[in-house]
Amino acid sequence: DAMVIQNPRYQVTQFGKPVTLSCSQTLNHNVMYWYQQKSSQAPKLLFHYYDKDFNNEADTPDNFQSRRPNTSFCFLDIRSPGLGDAAMYLCATSRDSPSSYNEQFFGPGTRLTVL
Amino acid sequence: KQEVTQIPAALSVPEGENLVLNCSFTDSAIYNLQWFRQDPGKGLTSLLLIQSSQREQTSGRLNASLDKSSGRSTLYIAASQPGDSATYLCAVVFNTDKLIFGTGTRLQVFP
Repeated sequence: DAMVIQNPRYQVTQFGKPVTLSCSQTLNHNVMYWYQQKSSQAPKLLFHYYDKDFNNEADTPDNFQSRRPNTSFCFLDIRSPGLGDAAMYLCATSRDSPSSYNEQFFGPGTRLTVL
Repeated sequence: KQEVTQIPAALSVPEGENLVLNCSFTDSAIYNLQWFRQDPGKGLTSLLLIQSSQREQTSGRLNASLDKSSGRSTLYIAASQPGDSATYLCAVVFNTDKLIFGTGTRLQVFP
């Protein structure tokens, strides 16, 4: 089945130790998104790629970076995780931009714990 | 400011009951609205997508309606089952070309 895959499902890191989260998709979608979701809160968009074009949200901290080496893969890098970065990180894809009436499909998420 | 609000925040119903979840949004100029389900500690599962030109969408026991003029959408769940227990999230694409989520309704269906 075509799907969005996230690895690892659970990640534990130490305060200040860089961490990378991975997302891959078999849907061949143009757009890939990274969301942060803290406990009992709505998902918050960090950034997205439309093909190779990177779009950062204005309030996304500089501590968060992303890479998309090819259509299938997208990575979230947290350069110096703080305690406040502990959250569920959700990857999503859509065939085209949201304003083109395209449905977003989400992966299972990576739960990040910062010690 | 473009916002999405969901009421109630939590709902507990007996099995078999028909129920309605509400979503309201602040700007009627939307591209589409999407309903998601999220199980505890898991990702989001897309349930229904309603485009701005549509009034409703149906999938199995689920029916979602959209009234742009009043800034409202409802998710109707027929004959609820314990397996329907989850958090239901409404998300709207405004002219900013991104999904804006509500904080969700946590549903519990007890046997």
